[in-house]
Amino acid sequence: ELKVEQNPLFLSMQEGKNYTIYCNYSTTSDRLYWYRQDPGKSLESLFVLLSNGAVKQEGRLMASLDTKARLSTLHITAAVHDLSATYFCASWDTSGTYKYIFGTGTRLKVLA
Amino acid sequence: VTQSSRYLVKRTGEKVFLECVQDMDHENMFWYRQDPGLGLRQIYYSMNVEVTDKGDVPEGYKVSRKEKRNFPLILESPSPNQTSLYFCASSATGVGDTQYFGPGTRLTVL
Repeated sequence: ELKVEQNPLFLSMQEGKNYTIYCNYSTTSDRLYWYRQDPGKSLESLFVLLSNGAVKQEGRLMASLDTKARLSTLHITAAVHDLSATYFCASWDTSGTYKYIFGTGTRLKVLA
Repeated sequence: VTQSSRYLVKRTGEKVFLECVQDMDHENMFWYRQDPGLGLRQIYYSMNVEVTDKGDVPEGYKVSRKEKRNFPLILESPSPNQTSLYFCASSATGVGDTQYFGPGTRLTVL
């Protein structure tokens, strides 16, 4: 059974600081997704990581994937208040179904 | 991806029909529920017209995919434990394509 676990679940950080959100998944899967959700809003796709060693960057966010360690990271550089949101990672069950499994999310609050 | 209702309040046993329409000509469509502390959980998905399958939490739900753009979620006899935030999503043909989410429907079952 595919499980996707994120940590931390909550993160409060000062503006200008760096931090990393971790996403572990429990079965072999070659694709990992990151989404952002603002309070009361829907989910917005941030990154799609398709292979081992993949790295994607957008502004102050950088995501990477290590399929051997079954780990993805979302690194935040010099955080700003606008990055406050909940971040989800997700992966596919590749055992022949199309189950798409989300982590429980990391609620990020950037303090001015 | 559009979902017609943002908020719904229904009584236990009162049938619920949640609409989902996508105009991107996507093959795949999905339904999720989001609950505090549990993240998003997949209810049902559809890989094409007339092709549907269960996700992780299908009990108490039904779906149909009679046309490509439309994927409604039906709660025949809802119970209070189906109070949740429901999202519909769609993705293009390839397995593992990015999903595009609708705005969500917050359903309260009294």
